[in-house]
Amino acid sequence: NAGVMQNPRHLVRRRGQEARLRCSPMKGHSHVYWYRQLPEEGLKFMVYLQKENIIDESGMPKERFSAEFPKEGPSILRIQQVVRGDSAAYFCASSRPRLASSYNEQFFGPGTRLTVL
Amino acid sequence: DAKTTQPPSMDCAEGRAANLPCNHSTISGNEYVYWYRQIHSQGPQYIIHGLKNNETNEMASLIITEDRKSSTLILPHATLRDTAVYYCIVRVDPGANNLFFGTGTRLTVIP
Repeated sequence: NAGVMQNPRHLVRRRGQEARLRCSPMKGHSHVYWYRQLPEEGLKFMVYLQKENIIDESGMPKERFSAEFPKEGPSILRIQQVVRGDSAAYFCASSRPRLASSYNEQFFGPGTRLTVL
Repeated sequence: DAKTTQPPSMDCAEGRAANLPCNHSTISGNEYVYWYRQIHSQGPQYIIHGLKNNETNEMASLIITEDRKSSTLILPHATLRDTAVYYCIVRVDPGANNLFFGTGTRLTVIP
């Protein structure tokens, strides 16, 4: 029973390039969350998606960042025109469909470490 | 979500109980206390959560004070593999979409 999968695990980009990070949720999970962790800091929420819908993007930077979770395939976090400050670990988590009266644990992937040169 | 305060670091001898405190003095009546840990830059791992009563599972115990203003995560017999950053998170659930991770407590288990 595979957990949350993220690829690539490490990504190096030069300033101005695009970065695409992929996340495949656990089987049976239809909810995906993206978090960013800067060095020596805790994780910061970015966006919450269900299939084909963005539910909460309150943590997403206003420019250059976008996320999608298509009907088929993994969720994609896209960063255009990367800058050095985008260097961080990006974690994806998934959960089962939310029920009104229970906690739906978020299961985290191993992360993608983005380095911008 | 209520803010939490945790000591930045703690040491614990292997085999001993590790007691990790968390202060959440502004917690609301409908907010739960969650604990996650992150082992050496891996993805965070859920440990336990509770509302009012003490909770226990195969990983840990959670003790919440009667006024709910603080809690303690207890690892009964710490091993070297428990060395990690432990995050105490307070939030309303169901309803909240995200987890707010502070800086946590870096627990080092010493041989």
